[in-house]
Amino acid sequence: GQNIDQPTEMTATEGAIVQINCTYQTSGFNGLFWYQQHAGEAPTFLSYNVLDGLEEKGRFSSFLSRSKGYSYLLLKELQMKDSASYLCAVRPPDSNYQLIWGAGTKLIIKP
Amino acid sequence: DSGVTQTPKHLITATGQRVTLRCSPRSGDLSVYWYQQSLDQGLQFLIQYYNGEERAKGNILERFSAQQFPDLHSELNLSSLELGDSALYFCASSVDAGPGQPQHFGDGTRLSIL
Repeated sequence: GQNIDQPTEMTATEGAIVQINCTYQTSGFNGLFWYQQHAGEAPTFLSYNVLDGLEEKGRFSSFLSRSKGYSYLLLKELQMKDSASYLCAVRPPDSNYQLIWGAGTKLIIKP
Repeated sequence: DSGVTQTPKHLITATGQRVTLRCSPRSGDLSVYWYQQSLDQGLQFLIQYYNGEERAKGNILERFSAQQFPDLHSELNLSSLELGDSALYFCASSVDAGPGQPQHFGDGTRLSIL
């Protein structure tokens, strides 16, 4: 079967660093996406990883280990506006560009 | 602004009724995806169209149907509505030119069934 696991909810403090993990078991792998979704709004694309390693984009970084079926999103210098759900999605090969979505991690930032 | 346009933004109707949700993809995108998201739930993939043809089906009920027109806009039809159909319905589009191409989401249609 195909499965993606993320923690349901995390809490962090403004100014701190938080790591949101995602593990996947899929029949093949052709890349992993991270999206941010504020409550009641559309998901917005954050990052794409297809090779092992760390991709950095400003305050946000995403890491991938294909052998472990594992990714994480690292958010630094947290701001109140980072309070949102973070969705992990995997693209299997030959999938007609569909994505398998995790349930998302709700991140709560406290002052 | 993602470039994906969904109308209407809000829809309130009663059980048993039928509604049509509309989506215009980003310029140049050939694929359209429909998702349902109930309150505090994850994204549930409904259906995908590519250049007018149905490409993949997810957990779409028989009461729901969709199509993509020659100008690439898409419509999602929901009939015999039930209270449990209340949700946010998102449309996304992508260019499908390579595995790294992300899906871009519209702002969604919030459907409330009374």
